[in-house]
Amino acid sequence: GDSVTQMEGPVTLSEEACLTINCTYTATGYPSLFWYVQYPGEGLQLLLKATKADDKGSNKGFEATYRKETTSFHLEKGSVQVSDSAVYFCALTYYGGSQGNLIFGKGTKLSVKP
Amino acid sequence: NAGVTQTPKFQVLKTGQSMTLQCAQDMNHNSMYWYRQDPGMGLRLIYYSASEGTTDKGEVPNGYNVSRLNKREFSLRLESAAPSQTSVYFCASSLMGSDNEQFFGPGTRLTVL
Repeated sequence: GDSVTQMEGPVTLSEEACLTINCTYTATGYPSLFWYVQYPGEGLQLLLKATKADDKGSNKGFEATYRKETTSFHLEKGSVQVSDSAVYFCALTYYGGSQGNLIFGKGTKLSVKP
Repeated sequence: NAGVTQTPKFQVLKTGQSMTLQCAQDMNHNSMYWYRQDPGMGLRLIYYSASEGTTDKGEVPNGYNVSRLNKREFSLRLESAAPSQTSVYFCASSLMGSDNEQFFGPGTRLTVL
């Protein structure tokens, strides 16, 4: 079945370091891909998304490109801040039943030290 | 505009007790969802409601029931709680289906002793 695999955490970086969180997926058909972020004590919120191959999603300095040939959607940021400390979830739409639903990866915890 | 609200925020139950988790959204969204979040497991879909009057099972529905009371409200019921249901529960909503952004509530932390 459809699934999402993302790199294990936790990831600890110093402020202004570069970030890459790897995400690969297995899907039948052509899903939409998402990154959600969960700040401590809060629910998830959408960070960015891409709906077709070669699309690039971007928001708050984060970027991810939908790569069909490598079935990947890696999250990148050039210079992280302490405020980026959170758990990041990669997800895809799964089309089963009467509508599409989201399938999430297990999450990657990022800690940024000043 | 409160978005998605959930009650209660925290709950402790004894094995065998029942309870209902409440969720409401004020964004006029058609679709609503219940997830559980467990360490190292990500989020797993319990039940969803594509539109008012419909509900469908997700990945892990056993031990749960849901009610889509109206367009705004979607409740999750545990009839006989078990320790395996200790988790953080999130409600979410979207305008229509998962290609639209899902908006999440703050979560309910449930412990079953």
